[in-house]
Amino acid sequence: DIQMTQSPSTLSASVGDRVTITCRASQSISSWLAWYQQKPGKAPKLLIYMASSLESGVPSRFSGSGSGTEFTLTISSLQPDDFATYYCQQYNSYLYNFGPGTKVDIK
Amino acid sequence: EVQLVESGGGLGQPGGSLRLSCAASGFTFSNYAMKWVRQTPGTGLESVSYISGSGSTEYYADSVKGRFTISRDNAKNSLYLRMNSLRVEDTAIYYCARDWNGALDHWGQGTQVTVSS
Repeated sequence: DIQMTQSPSTLSASVGDRVTITCRASQSISSWLAWYQQKPGKAPKLLIYMASSLESGVPSRFSGSGSGTEFTLTISSLQPDDFATYYCQQYNSYLYNFGPGTKVDIK
Repeated sequence: EVQLVESGGGLGQPGGSLRLSCAASGFTFSNYAMKWVRQTPGTGLESVSYISGSGSTEYYADSVKGRFTISRDNAKNSLYLRMNSLRVEDTAIYYCARDWNGALDHWGQGTQVTVSS
């Protein structure tokens, strides 16, 4: 099984900050990686697919990069609506494992 | 507008059964693979099962293999998850999600399943 890790597990930041979250896969997944945002009581929302492609309707302050085993999600200027938990997910294999999540909260 | 609406959750007994449903609308259902994903506070998000658009291919997480069965009725635009031999650790919110080449681009609101005696 491909295992996914994320760092940090929690991130405290202020509005306007540049935020970077890292996701690592236990083996190469090429670019088969997605990022999701989840707010309390809501379903996850797709932000990025194929490691760096922005889902339609997602603000351009979100960007993704990486390939192989290391990936990053960057929020260029954190907005009040961005305080949430972020998950990466690999889809190189059918198990589609998710990372454990990174909670972005207010400093 | 794509909509996915789950139903069928609730309280189940250990060793018992539940059947979840997911009603899809706003897209050509048979063109898309679908997934069930569950979430617990302790274990985060877990892919439970996958089914191809035609229904000919299915995959299951090891934790549910042999106990859960995924199915779909393309004529009714519906996805199902039959959950047998329920365990306390199956307690979670269950989401159905549309699989768009691996990325899950639309999700339902989720249905709570609680397994307890």
